[in-house]
Amino acid sequence: DGGITQSPKYLFRKEGQNVTLSCEQNLNHDAMYWYRQDPGQGLRLIYYSQIVNDFQKGDIAEGYSVSREKKESFPLTVTSAQKNPTAFYLCASNAVRFNQPQHFGDGTRLSIL
Amino acid sequence: QKEVEQNSGPLSVPEGAIASLNCTYSDRGSQSFFWYRQYSGKSPELIMFIYSNGDKEDGRFTAQLNKASQYVSLLIRDSQPSDSATYLCAVNVNGTASKLTFGTGTRLQVTL
Repeated sequence: DGGITQSPKYLFRKEGQNVTLSCEQNLNHDAMYWYRQDPGQGLRLIYYSQIVNDFQKGDIAEGYSVSREKKESFPLTVTSAQKNPTAFYLCASNAVRFNQPQHFGDGTRLSIL
Repeated sequence: QKEVEQNSGPLSVPEGAIASLNCTYSDRGSQSFFWYRQYSGKSPELIMFIYSNGDKEDGRFTAQLNKASQYVSLLIRDSQPSDSATYLCAVNVNGTASKLTFGTGTRLQVTL
């Protein structure tokens, strides 16, 4: 089935540790996105990429890093510089044609140990 | 002023009634508008999108867009308990292809 796969579903981070969240899509979408959602809040954009080997910062990029080496994959690293990483992380993708809707993976819930 | 605003709710409607969810936005250049449904603990799923002024219907759902007044709404007819969820409004601002700004969502409760 075509879709967006995020792993793991739950992740725990120790103080000072970097963790990487996986996002893979087989929809042949050019654009991929990472959002963060805090309880009772909307989605905030962390990073996005519209083409392989290129990505842009979103509204809250500090403490995060990404790579886009393959069209299908857009991993997000939450670094130790991100002081409040506990949140629900959502990956999305869409076709790079104007107005195409974004579709989401199932999300990764990150907590601090 | 927030770019995309929604009443957080909860909005409570009885089963079978029409639920009306509203969203206002600040950027007059916004061109596309999306409604997502999010069940508790789950990821958002696309319900509808609308680009032109007026109404767009899909089954029990109708999206309404009024660019002059800068609001977009979602009507859910014959509301069912399974419609109980948070509804997120998302707007394409600044003309940047695909870059969306989300509202904080309206929680809908459909009562028996």
